Amino acid sequence: DVKVTQSSRYLVKRTGEKVFLECVQDMDHENMFWYRQDPGLGLRLIYFSYDVKMKEKGDIPEGYSVSREKKERFSLILESASTNQTSMYLCASSLATSGGTYEQYFGPGTRLTVT
Amino acid sequence: LAKTTQPISMDSYEGQEVNITCSHNNIATNDYITWYQQFPSQGPRFIIQGYKTKVTNEVASLFIPADRKSSTLSLPRVSLSDTAVYYCLVGDHQAGTALIFGKGTTLSVSS
Repeated sequence: DVKVTQSSRYLVKRTGEKVFLECVQDMDHENMFWYRQDPGLGLRLIYFSYDVKMKEKGDIPEGYSVSREKKERFSLILESASTNQTSMYLCASSLATSGGTYEQYFGPGTRLTVT
Repeated sequence: LAKTTQPISMDSYEGQEVNITCSHNNIATNDYITWYQQFPSQGPRFIIQGYKTKVTNEVASLFIPADRKSSTLSLPRVSLSDTAVYYCLVGDHQAGTALIFGKGTTLSVSS
């Protein structure tokens, strides 16, 4: 079974802190994604990566950066956390497409609170 | 990327069949239609995917008409444990682009 793990289930940080959210997948997937989920807004894509050291902006990249130094690990960085970044953060991974089934596998999520 | 529209919420009773329709008028030739399910405090989980006509697996069926401008997720004989948010996604999987999640449909199943 594909396993996507996230470094923390719950995290509390102060405004202005630098925050690192780590995601690791164990299925040699090429694609990795970071989403945030807020009530009434659904899932919104922050960044995604289709290869090591490659990244693409999603819908809401402002205030975030990412790092993918190894294929299995995709990190989301909040350079200076703000209260409006309080949210549930979800990481996902998938194979590179080749037609047919294209399934994203999600981690359990990290609920981040910025005070 | 094709935009999708689906109902915000639906209610059902145990044992009933539930059909959730998703509209995607601007679907492109290479786009696939995919449905995900999400329970509270968990990440979404893949349910089913299709390109045209009908697809069935052990969990659900997906009906796609010839014009592909809409699709219907059918859940047979729902139970309380099917209470979740269901997302319809449309994307060009060939190009490897990221999928876009909308707000989803919250399905509430009662006894």
